Amino acid sequence: GAGVSQTPSNKVTEKGKYVELRCDPISGHTALYWYRQSLGQGPEFLIYFQGTGAADDSGLPNDRFFAVRPEGSVSTLKIQRTERGDSAVYLCASSGGTRPTGELFFGEGSRLTVL
Amino acid sequence: GEDVEQSLFLSVREGDSSVINCTYTDSSSTYLYWYKQEPGAGLQLLTYIFSNMDMKQDQRLTVLLNKKDKHLSLRIADTQTGDSAIYFCAETGGSYIPTFGRGTSLIVHP
Repeated sequence: GAGVSQTPSNKVTEKGKYVELRCDPISGHTALYWYRQSLGQGPEFLIYFQGTGAADDSGLPNDRFFAVRPEGSVSTLKIQRTERGDSAVYLCASSGGTRPTGELFFGEGSRLTVL
Repeated sequence: GEDVEQSLFLSVREGDSSVINCTYTDSSSTYLYWYKQEPGAGLQLLTYIFSNMDMKQDQRLTVLLNKKDKHLSLRIADTQTGDSAIYFCAETGGSYIPTFGRGTSLIVHP
């Protein structure tokens, strides 16, 4: 597609459940980022992929969060045993360079609500 | 650690200039960015500046960088109601992964 696509756009789940959020980056972009944006806050970095490998996962808050990008294109962010504090908008972004430069193209986000 | 600070709100009259300010702490910042987020939409890159520059102009947008004070500003000339959005300052430090501020909500009223 022309832009970064994220699904679902909205997800409501119950505390303790498992969720998956999907990101389809711009075709040909090798770099992919996940950020989390809570209400009234700026995007908070979670993980950065260059190709298939996680080049930097220092932003993942704990081991309940995991992300994969098996073929170097689509990425899935996985959250186990969700907690109410996980409620946020999860943003995916991609860029075309092999080195991060900050020129990111963002999707519209997946809004996660944990009840 | 890295920190980017912005004021939360700015209200201006249509046709006036808007100036949105940002301070950052990472002295190794290489690139500094302004992103715009409209309601219900993803962030969109507006403009960026390299750390070895002190000014960049792009149509109605002027970016000023004071590297000594670690201060970045975005000036929007002739502000229009369509400019109402949240503006995020971001910087890439040694890791080259953007760190964002909390965003400044720009409200443009007639």
